[in-house]
Amino acid sequence: ILNVEQSPQSLHVQEGDSTNFTCSFPSSNFYALHWYRWETAKSPEALFVMTLNGDEKKKGQISATLNTKEGYSYLYIKGSQPEDSATYLCAYDTNAGKSTFGDGTTLTVKP
Amino acid sequence: DVKVTQSSRYLVKRTGEKVFLECVQDMDHENMFWYRQDPGLGLRLIYFSYDVKMKEKGDIPEGYSVSREKKERFSLILESASTNQTSMYLCASAGLGYEQYFGPGTRLTVT
Repeated sequence: ILNVEQSPQSLHVQEGDSTNFTCSFPSSNFYALHWYRWETAKSPEALFVMTLNGDEKKKGQISATLNTKEGYSYLYIKGSQPEDSATYLCAYDTNAGKSTFGDGTTLTVKP
Repeated sequence: DVKVTQSSRYLVKRTGEKVFLECVQDMDHENMFWYRQDPGLGLRLIYFSYDVKMKEKGDIPEGYSVSREKKERFSLILESASTNQTSMYLCASAGLGYEQYFGPGTRLTVT
């Protein structure tokens, strides 16, 4: 079983704060790295998929970077809002189609 | 819009019963997955399938089997349900971009 680690496990911030989380994964046999957002009572939704070392993706106030050589990815949220409260999952692919998920970082943004 | 549906949102079964969880996707995706999600353990892969009649074991296949007779449908079977199979079960499908699209989940309680 591949080891995908996410930190921190949980995070509480104030509205307007910027924050970031880390996903670390094995640097060998890399194929793709995914970030998903999982709101309470909903299904996980894909945020980003990154495949190349140095990739940077952005969607609104959320962005992600990828370092495949050292095996980590960062997810950044600029100016957090209460609606950003969710669990953020990363998933690592070695073979096309199968993902190993981290346990997630649960973000709570207080108004 | 990709749609992944699961046959039940909530299910209560007795120990020893045979349980079928159905998943249907409408985007002609090749890949389909079954996960279970338990508090503190993240998403764990039970089985996945790359094509009709093909299946691969995930990280925790014991006590489960699967069936994929048609491309759009992937079924998870608990041959003899046990209390330690009480969990949230999530189905997902993926196409060429490999990001996974999740169903709404089935919360199964085995008493």
